[in-house]
Amino acid sequence: KQEVTQIPAALSVPEGENLVLNCSFTDSAIYNLQWFRQDPGKGLTSLLLIQSSQREQTSGRLNASLDKSSGRSTLYIAASQPGDSATYLCAVGDDYKLSFGAGTTVTVRA
Amino acid sequence: GAVVSQHPSWVICKSGTSVKIECRSLDFQATTMFWYRQFPKQSLMLMATSNEGSKATYEQGVEKDKFLINHASLTLSTLTVTSAHPEDSSFYICSARVQLRNTEAFFGQGTRLTVV
Repeated sequence: KQEVTQIPAALSVPEGENLVLNCSFTDSAIYNLQWFRQDPGKGLTSLLLIQSSQREQTSGRLNASLDKSSGRSTLYIAASQPGDSATYLCAVGDDYKLSFGAGTTVTVRA
Repeated sequence: GAVVSQHPSWVICKSGTSVKIECRSLDFQATTMFWYRQFPKQSLMLMATSNEGSKATYEQGVEKDKFLINHASLTLSTLTVTSAHPEDSSFYICSARVQLRNTEAFFGQGTRLTVV
């Protein structure tokens, strides 16, 4: 059974600092890995999707890397802003299911 | 990206009553949709996979008679919580993919269910 862990559980940084969020998974036989953002009481917004054959994906200030062999992914958010405050979830996909981590709750202080 | 709409966004019901939650894919057809449950500060737990035109597949430990899933069309799946109890209070979220395998998953806005 796939287990997904996200460390740290919470993170507080001053505005402008770069964010590094970690995700690890136990079974490297994955199809893809997806990062999501969740605001309090809301659904999930997809940020980045990395296929198992890829090493990284970038979108604006976001960059996600994937090391399938070691079971790790890292989400980098450059030059953080207060609007980046949210919970970030990583999810690992097999052929159709997603297994989620518990998330990292980020607070960016103005 | 594709849009998944979930309704209602919140609902309060009395113990013993049933509540229906709708999940629609607005700009694509989804033969498969997924229903998740999320407790406060916890991860999303997959409850069931909804298959258009056939029975849903439930995860271990999820009562299929309590959580009725119907996927009557390529754009609509419904989750009905029957005979709701306070312990069913939770955040329910649906998801859909344009195609299975290696494609991005899109999520609805979620439904906050409170059973009193």
